[in-house]
Amino acid sequence: DTEVTQTPKHLVMGMTNKKSLKCEQHMGHRAMYWYKQKAKKPPELMFVYSYEKLSINESVPSRFSPECPNSSLLNLHLHALQPEDSALYLCASSRERENSNQPQHFGDGTRLSIL
Amino acid sequence: GESVGLHLPTLSVQEGDNSIINCAYSNSASDYFIWYKQESGKGPQFIIDIRSNMDKRQGQRVTVLLNKTVKHLSLQIAATQPGDSAVYFCAERGTNDYKLSFGAGTTVTVRA
Repeated sequence: DTEVTQTPKHLVMGMTNKKSLKCEQHMGHRAMYWYKQKAKKPPELMFVYSYEKLSINESVPSRFSPECPNSSLLNLHLHALQPEDSALYLCASSRERENSNQPQHFGDGTRLSIL
Repeated sequence: GESVGLHLPTLSVQEGDNSIINCAYSNSASDYFIWYKQESGKGPQFIIDIRSNMDKRQGQRVTVLLNKTVKHLSLQIAATQPGDSAVYFCAERGTNDYKLSFGAGTTVTVRA
């Protein structure tokens, strides 16, 4: 079992809906990440939070809005998504800064389908 | 930009044999390397990592080898089991980089 918990596991939404993905870790990690993964491809970085502040946005469209309410939680708010946004969304965390030599630990993801 | 790649997209292995998964990287500034295993329906699971000041590191049934001269990374799995069937990703990061660069992945299938 992973120590990074993501909910929901599956989400189907229409293009006009608003939904949120949630991620939680209790390892005391201070860096948290959102990735997008398409089928048979490696994960692609979307956002990095370091000490609860957004430090990196990889030119992600504004229809994806991240939020870090506290050091254990990370949300990804979704609005007006497109069918091409259908993918597995992965959350990860690591001990310190994003550029320290520590591995990132991933959750099992939310499988998102846009109708 | 520079990226990490894998030599083979698929690998079929007889149960009980040893597996070797290869990865080439092009960024000479990379100093930290990780192997992940991703099973169907799950997220990437950390297997083992290695820093550039090492050539070899061993874990439980796994060994990672790093050859900085030819920029090559490999993962060896001893006595491969059906539960080892998964996609394996190598990833690397350079000094002061914020980003992990992932290889394309190798799908390992274990034959009974």
